[in-house]
Amino acid sequence: DTGVSQDPRHKITKRGQNVTFRCDPISEHNRLYWYRQTLGQGPEFLTYFQNEAQLEKSRLLSDRFSAERPKGSFSTLEIQRTEQGDSAMYLCASSITSDSARGANVLTFGAGSRLTVL
Amino acid sequence: SQQGEEDPQALSIQEGENATMNCSYKTSINNLQWYRQNSGRGLVHLILIRSNEREKHSGRLRVTLDTSKKSSSLLITASRAADTASYFCATDARWGTSYGKLTFGQGTILTVHP
Repeated sequence: DTGVSQDPRHKITKRGQNVTFRCDPISEHNRLYWYRQTLGQGPEFLTYFQNEAQLEKSRLLSDRFSAERPKGSFSTLEIQRTEQGDSAMYLCASSITSDSARGANVLTFGAGSRLTVL
Repeated sequence: SQQGEEDPQALSIQEGENATMNCSYKTSINNLQWYRQNSGRGLVHLILIRSNEREKHSGRLRVTLDTSKKSSSLLITASRAADTASYFCATDARWGTSYGKLTFGQGTILTVHP
C-alpha cells in the first residue's frame, strides 16, 4: 500500500465550472476525511465518512459541495459552480476506528489537490 | 473553526539550536497530536500525547501536555535544515461538536538556517 492518493494534484478552473477530486485511502482504513487548507492557515474540517456513511459535514460545506464514498472505498469531493473563494488545497486523510477506540485517531494524509479558480 | 492557537506563528533559528512551539486549545480532549507539513505537501503525523500523559519523547521530539492550562508544547532539539516546515497541533475532542475528527491549529512556520 502506498498511502493515501489524491487526484488531480493541481486543478485550474474558471469560475462557475464544476470540479471533482478523488481520494484513495489506505485500504484497511475505514474512516476518510476531507479538509480544506488556505495559505497560511491550518486544515479546516469539511466532512468525514466511516465506511460508506457520511457521519458529519461542516457548516463550511455549502450546498455547492458534495462528497461521496461509494462502497466505503475511494471518495470524491465535487464542487459545483466554483467561486474564487474556493481556491485552496483540498486534503484527504484516512484512519482506522480501532485506533480511535484506543484513543489514538491518527490521520494519514494525502499530498492534497490544489484548486485555483480564476 | 480553529481549535488551537499556536505560538509563535513563525520561528527562525540556526542549525543545532532547539525550537519550541506552543499550542493552546479550548475543549476537553482524548489526545493531542503534532503534524508536520513541508511546503505544498500533505501533513505527516509526528507524535501523539494522550490526555492522561504529561510528557512524551520520540527521537529529537519532546511533547508536553498541561490539561489544566489546555496547552501543549513541542520541542525539537538539535534542529537541522531539513526540519524546516510548518508544524500543526491537532486536538481529538472527548465530546461535543469537535468529536470524531481532528481540529487543527493555525501552525508555526519553522525555518532552520544551515
